[in-house]
This record gives sequence, structure tokens and C-alpha cells, in this order.
Amino acid sequence: EIVLTQSPATLSLSPGERATLSCRSSESLSNHLAWYQQKPGQAPRLLIYDASNRATGIPTRFSGSGSGTDFTLTISGLEPEDFAVYYCQQRSIWPLMFTFGQGTRLEVK
Amino acid sequence: EVLLMESGGGVIQRGGSLRLSCAASGFTFSGYTMSWVRQAPGKGLEWVSTITGSGGTTYYADSVKGRFTVSRDNSKNTLYLRMKSLRGEDTAIYFCAKDPKEAVGVYYYFDLWGRGTVVTVSS
Repeated sequence: EIVLTQSPATLSLSPGERATLSCRSSESLSNHLAWYQQKPGQAPRLLIYDASNRATGIPTRFSGSGSGTDFTLTISGLEPEDFAVYYCQQRSIWPLMFTFGQGTRLEVK
Repeated sequence: EVLLMESGGGVIQRGGSLRLSCAASGFTFSGYTMSWVRQAPGKGLEWVSTITGSGGTTYYADSVKGRFTVSRDNSKNTLYLRMKSLRGEDTAIYFCAKDPKEAVGVYYYFDLWGRGTVVTVSS
């Protein structure tokens, strides 16, 4: 089973700063990695798919990079609404299953 | 507007059964693979089950295999999750989630999620 490890667990930054979130896979994923944002009491929202493609309506300050086993979500110029929990996610080919990282909580410093 | 709305959650005793529903609107439901993902209180996301658009193929996490059954009624644009032999560790918010692409099997991520329904398994 592929394991996704996110770091750091918690990231404390101020509005306007740059956030860098990491997701490391136990096996190569090619580029099939997605990132989601979740705010309290809300459903997850797709931010990035296929490692670097922004989903519809996602601001350009969100960017994704990486391939293989190491992936990064960068938020350039944090806005107040960006403070939330972020998850990375992959889908294994066989047996088919989806796995998520444990999440990174982005909090206001 | 593309929308998913879950229902059917509640408080259920350990060992009991429950059926969740997810009503879809705004897209051609029968063309899309759908999934259930859950989130235990204060925890991360855990994939539960996936069903292809026709309903012909299903997949389950090991943690629910043999206890949960996913199904769909494409005439009603509704996804279901039948849960039996419920355990304390099944307590969670259950989200339904949609594949991003039509008629391509199971894709790699989810482009739309519902707001979830809460299941609490009591002892």
C-alpha cells in the first residue's frame, strides 16, 4: 500500500507570506497526485490535480510541483481565507484504492 | 449547478445497519464513477468505496470490505452506501465524491464533494 507522508504537520505563517507544503510518497506516482483544501465544517475542495494543474476557479497563488515521490504545494502570498488543512491524495492502480496524506494544518502565526 | 447532497446519517448502535444516500444534480450522473470518503472526528480523510458509472464494478477499502455495499440508481441520480455490522471506528462524516471525467473508468482524483452526513456508532 502506498503511503503519503505530509510535512510539516502544522505550519504557522502570517498573511502575505509564502507557504510550502510537502507530500512524499512511498512509491513513485508519476504525476498522479492531487491536493485538496478543507476548512472547518466544509467538504474538501480540489486545488491541484496531476501534480501541477490548478482546478477550475483556483487562484493563481496556488501552485503544485513535483513528480515521482516528492511533491510540493506552494501558496504565494497567503490570504486570510487560505488558513485551512491541506491534504495530498493518490490512487493506486492495483489493488485500486485511494490514499490521503495525514494533512498539513496551515495556521495564522 | 453541479451538486452532491448526502443524507441518511444518524446515531446507530454498534452492530446495527444504516443506508446513506447521495443525491446528484447538474451533471449526467450515469456517466461518472462515484466514491465515498469518510473522516473520523478530528482525523484525516479515508477512502471507503468506489462504483463505476454503470454500477458494474465496485471497490472497497479493506476496513469496510464485507460490511459495506455501494450501489447506485442512475434513474434517480442517487448513490448509496449500505453499512452493516457497524463499529465504533465507523463513526465519521461520510462524503460522496465525483470523478472528474465521464466514462473513463476510475480516475485519479475527485473534482466535487458533497458536504457530508454524520454517522455516529454508539455502544
